[in-house]
Order: sequence, then structure tokens, then C-alpha cells
Amino acid sequence: AQTIHQWPVAEIKAVGSPLSLGCTIKGKSSPNLYWYWQATGGTLQQLFYSITVGQVESVVQLNLSASRPKDDQFILSTEKLLLSHSGFYLCAWKRGRNQAPLFGEGTRLSVL
Amino acid sequence: GDQVEQSPSALSLHEGTGSALRCNFTTTMRAVQWFRKNSRGSLINLFYLASGTKENGRLKSAFDSKERYSTLHIRDAQLEDSGTYFCAAETNTGKLTFGDGTVLTVKP
Repeated sequence: AQTIHQWPVAEIKAVGSPLSLGCTIKGKSSPNLYWYWQATGGTLQQLFYSITVGQVESVVQLNLSASRPKDDQFILSTEKLLLSHSGFYLCAWKRGRNQAPLFGEGTRLSVL
Repeated sequence: GDQVEQSPSALSLHEGTGSALRCNFTTTMRAVQWFRKNSRGSLINLFYLASGTKENGRLKSAFDSKERYSTLHIRDAQLEDSGTYFCAAETNTGKLTFGDGTVLTVKP
């Protein structure tokens, strides 16, 4: 069975500090991977998606970047956090074009 | 840009009754998905539709791409149905745009 794992579960970081959030998919080769973000009280937004290793498309610019270093790994990062980066980050994968995306358990980020 | 208008923002039902949530889209969407938020804040998939209707237990969803809307019907509501429900519409490019959610409260 396929599993999706996000880390860390929660993070408290200072403004201006770097950030790295991870997402791994097990049991599925070449998944389509997605990053979503929800500000506190806001709507979920798609940030990035990747259909293959080394290829990442940006959907919303939030001074964040994403990378796909391995087939089963999707990383969200920034060198300098802003207060506005606080929120809930979700990773998702899709089995195919006409399949529903399945979500990880999320990372709650507080930037202070 | 693509927008999804979800209504109502909050809904209160008595046990055993039913109602419907609705999402309207500003453009033609390829598919729609309905989710429920779990206790951690992540999303549990309820339905994924490219057209027509799907039913699962006391939940039923419909999607009309041409008329640009989708609905989620809940019948015989139970206390454990309380929670936040989201719709999300998928464009042809695979982008998922979420509604703002509906907070459902089921009362005894």
C-alpha cells in the first residue's frame, strides 16, 4: 500500500530563519506530487507540483521554493522565513490524471 | 483567476435531518473533489468526480461541469458528521482550487 509521510509534524521558527519541510511517498513510482498551504483562517492554496524528478512547477509565489531530489521525495524550503509563512502545509500525491489526490498529515508552521 | 464559491460557510443540523453544501465555479472545471478535515487538519477524501453523481452511505455528491457547480448532500446526519467540509475544483492543468469550507455542526 502507498503511504505518504510529512515531516516535521510541527515547527516553530524565527523570522529570517531557514525552513525545510519534507514529504515522501512509499509504494508508488513516479507519483505526481503537490504542496499546499493554508494560512490560519485562510483558504488552501496549491503552491507547487512536480511530475518527475528534478522538475517543479510553481503555482503561487510566496518566497518559497520546492525541489524533487528523488522520485519519492518532495522538499519545500526557504532561506528566510516571513511571518506570513505561518500556516498549515500539506503534501499530496496523485496516482493518475483522473485520480483524486491523497494528502499527508500536514506540518503546522508558526513563524515568530 | 479561477474561483470556487462554497456555501454555506456554516451549517447546523439536528440529528436525522439532511441538507446540501454547494460549490459554484467561475470557470469550467475538469473535476471536483470533496474533503472532510480530520482532527489534525489534514484532508480526508470523500468524493472525486469528473461528472455525474456518486454516493457513499449517507453522502451523495453531484458535479455539473457545464453549469459550473457541485453539491454534497448529507442525509440522516449523525453527531460524528460534525466537522469542516471542503470542495476543491480541478482545472485541466491539474491545479486544485479550494472553497473556503463549511463548518457543519450536528446537534442532538
